[in-house]
Amino acid sequence: DAGVIQSPRHEVTEMGQEVTLRCKPISGHDYLFWYRQTMMRGLELLIYFNNNVPIDDSGMPEDRFSAKMPNASFSTLKIQPSEPRDSAVYFCASVRRWDRADTEAFFGQGTRLTVV
Amino acid sequence: KQEVTQIPAALSVPEGENLVLNCSFTDSAIYNLQWFRQDPGKGLTSLLLIQSSQREQTSGRLNASLDKSSGRSTLYIAASQPGDSATYLCAVVDSSYKLIFGSGTRLLVRP
Repeated sequence: DAGVIQSPRHEVTEMGQEVTLRCKPISGHDYLFWYRQTMMRGLELLIYFNNNVPIDDSGMPEDRFSAKMPNASFSTLKIQPSEPRDSAVYFCASVRRWDRADTEAFFGQGTRLTVV
Repeated sequence: KQEVTQIPAALSVPEGENLVLNCSFTDSAIYNLQWFRQDPGKGLTSLLLIQSSQREQTSGRLNASLDKSSGRSTLYIAASQPGDSATYLCAVVDSSYKLIFGSGTRLLVRP
């Protein structure tokens, strides 16, 4: 498997524009996590899915953020409208199943978002 | 609410030194704990995973221990090398299957 794939790798957009980040998890993985990483706040969990169903979105900062997982092989994180303070690196991670305690989390390479 | 703390935030050591990175968590009800490495501008790479029933795991020069009852884990790096310079993050899987990270330790190993 190619691992967790995120696109785009870099995104520069103007304030007020809609931004969509994409993630393809590892095939067969049941859990998908979206994180945001900044120097000030480190890695923050935004939302996670189990079998395509959102389980906890309490980390989503505002209503401007939304995430979907229409099928087991694809997820999106959308910001509308974007603001400069949304500038960060956004990571996606997938996990096969947590009821096996030896399960690791695998991360994508991240999307570096810059809102100007 | 589970909180994960890492100490120190940054560490600079000469090559060859043995070192210890610390991680603590507030709720002992965890499924497992993972240590990750992150190089600048890159994603996270898993180093070691310790199941909640285990006390330690080893991989090469790395050894991670877990004391669930006291909410602590340590990552021991033996004979450090400049190539070990990176940020090291620990993360726990809590009782609701959230993967929660500490803020990391930035390590610099000087030649």
